[in-house]
Amino acid sequence: EAQVTQNPRYLITVTGKKLTVTCSQNMNHEYMSWYRQDPGLGLRQIYYSMNVEVTDKGDVPEGYKVSRKEKRNFPLILESPSPNQTSLYFCASSLTRVGNQPQHFGDGTRLSIL
Amino acid sequence: DAKTTQPPSMDCAEGRAANLPCNHSTISGNEYVYWYRQIHSQGPQYIIHGLKNNETNEMASLIITEDRKSSTLILPHATLRDTAVYYCIVRGRDDKIIFGKGTRLHILP
Repeated sequence: EAQVTQNPRYLITVTGKKLTVTCSQNMNHEYMSWYRQDPGLGLRQIYYSMNVEVTDKGDVPEGYKVSRKEKRNFPLILESPSPNQTSLYFCASSLTRVGNQPQHFGDGTRLSIL
Repeated sequence: DAKTTQPPSMDCAEGRAANLPCNHSTISGNEYVYWYRQIHSQGPQYIIHGLKNNETNEMASLIITEDRKSSTLILPHATLRDTAVYYCIVRGRDDKIIFGKGTRLHILP
């Protein structure tokens, strides 16, 4: 089944403790992206990747890192999480960067930073 | 800022057609119009997209005006399960993708 898989689905942690949210897709998609969603603010793009070893900042990249060493994986890294990063996170992928490719979203990861 | 403008909420009676408008007056020639929906806090679900022509699939129809500055998503026979937030976005070769706040659609029994 074609899917985007995020782990963990839920995480409660403390300020400053490094964490990684994994994202994997099995559709051989080139383009991958991370979003956060906060009440009243909709979905905001954090980072995106056009292909392996190519990443770039979205609208809200501060406090996050990503890597794209393999085509299928695009982990989101919070080196020193803070409470303002408490949010619902979504990973998405599409076949390529061009406009005629719909994105497929994962089920989300709910992070609580205490 | 989002490239699209949508009403924050709409109501529709169950069994009727739901027509969700979207303005994208600054759309450029190579940008597609996409619609997604999000039910509760699940991952957004792709519905439909188009460039110039009207499009229809098993979920919905997309009507794009001739000048491409606005579009309408039509759910032909709305059910309670169509209650969701609907997002209209435009996407071209720009690598960034910007979602707005969407329209919260309430289906009334």
